[in-house]
Amino acid sequence: DGGITQSPKYLFRKEGQNVTLSCEQNLNHDAMYWYRQDPGQGLRLIYYSQIVNDFQKGDIAEGYSVSREKKESFPLTVTSAQKNPTAFYLCASSPGRGQPQHFGDGTRLSIL
Amino acid sequence: GQQLNQSPQSMFIQEGEDVSMNCTSSSIFNTWLWYKQDPGEGPVLLIALYKAGELTSNGRLTAQFGITRKDSFLNISASIPSDVGIYFCAGQLYNFNKFYFGSGTKLNVKP
Repeated sequence: DGGITQSPKYLFRKEGQNVTLSCEQNLNHDAMYWYRQDPGQGLRLIYYSQIVNDFQKGDIAEGYSVSREKKESFPLTVTSAQKNPTAFYLCASSPGRGQPQHFGDGTRLSIL
Repeated sequence: GQQLNQSPQSMFIQEGEDVSMNCTSSSIFNTWLWYKQDPGEGPVLLIALYKAGELTSNGRLTAQFGITRKDSFLNISASIPSDVGIYFCAGQLYNFNKFYFGSGTKLNVKP
């Protein structure tokens, strides 16, 4: 089945550690996105990529980094510079600009 | 970033009742989307709207793209327990590559 796969489902980070969240899609979508969701809040855009080897900062990019080396993959690294990383992270993809986004099932990141 | 005001924040209704929620902004949007999110899962697309005044249905759900292009509405008729969840609106500004999300409406349905 086509879809978006995020892994792991739960992730724990120690202080000062970088962690990488995986996002893979087999929908042949050009655009991919990373959002952060905090309790009682809407989704906030971290980074997005319209095509391979290109990405742009969203509204809350500080402390995060991404890469887009392959069309189907858009990993997100939460660096030690992100002081409040505990959140639910959602990856999405869309066929292109302005097209509805489809989401993965998320990764919940917690601090040890 | 852009502000999308979604209301109400939460609703407690009886099974069988109809539900209405809305999203407003001070900016003009090109596209409106409505999603539903169950606990611990990603949002699932319910309805997409592309033209001012457009009215689109998906089963018991009906959504409208406001005529001013600054708002959108979602109605659920004859609610059932599986309608429980958080409903999000999302809007795309003209000529922008990204969507802005409302803070969600949490729906609770009593059997």
